[in-house]
Amino acid sequence: GAVVSQHPSRVICKSGTSVKIECRSLDFQATTMFWYRQFPKQSLMLMATSNEGSKATYEQGVEKDKFLINHASLTLSTLTVTSAHPEDSSFYICSAKGGGAANEKLFFGSGTQLSVL
Amino acid sequence: QKEVEQDPGPLSVPEGAIVSLNCTYSNSAFQYFMWYRQYSRKGPELLMYTYSSGNKEDGRFTAQVDKSSKYISLFIRDSQPSDSATYLCAMSGTGGGNKLTFGTGTQLKVEL
Repeated sequence: GAVVSQHPSRVICKSGTSVKIECRSLDFQATTMFWYRQFPKQSLMLMATSNEGSKATYEQGVEKDKFLINHASLTLSTLTVTSAHPEDSSFYICSAKGGGAANEKLFFGSGTQLSVL
Repeated sequence: QKEVEQDPGPLSVPEGAIVSLNCTYSNSAFQYFMWYRQYSRKGPELLMYTYSSGNKEDGRFTAQVDKSSKYISLFIRDSQPSDSATYLCAMSGTGGGNKLTFGTGTQLKVEL
C-alpha cells in the first residue's frame, strides 16, 4: 500500500518559536495533501488542503498566516506553525491522495505531537 | 447537529466477540464511506472503503452501508486484543481521496 511519512513524530518547543512538520509520499506522487488537527478523544479536523504548485485552501477559522503550508513538489508538503503558543499544542496529521484515478483514497502519516511550553 | 455522529465509547468486549460499530450521518450527498483504525498517537489506517449502499467483506471485517437510513456499520468477527484501537468512520460526496468528514471515533478495547 501507499506509504506516507511524517516527521518529526514529536516536538516540544518554547512559546513564540516556529515549528516545521514534513509530510512525504514515499512511493507515489500526491498532487493533493491534507492537513488535520486532532485534540485528545476528538475527531480529525481538516485544517487545509495543499495542492502542488498552488496556494493551500484553508478551512474556515484556520489562520493561514499562522499555519503556513508549502507543497513544492509532488511528494512533499510542509506545515509550519509560526510563533507557536500553548493553545497550538495538538496532534497534527497529514494525508495524501493516492491509489490511482479510479481508486482514490487517503493515506495518512503517523502524526506529529506538538507541545508548546 | 454534527454531519456525522458516532458513539465515542469506550466499548469493551471479550476476546472472540463480534463487534458492531456504527455511524449515522445527515448529508445525503455522501456516497463514499470509509472506516479507519487509529492506534493511540498514530495516524489513521484505512480498513474498509465502500461506495454507495451494500456490504463489503475483507477477512474478519464487514462494512455495511444503508443510504436510505443514512447509517453505516463495521463488524469485526473473532475480535482480538490487537483490535483494541479507535475506529473512525469517514465519508465524502466526491470520492475517497478528497475532503473527508470524520466521526469522532469509537474507542474499542478487546479484553483477554
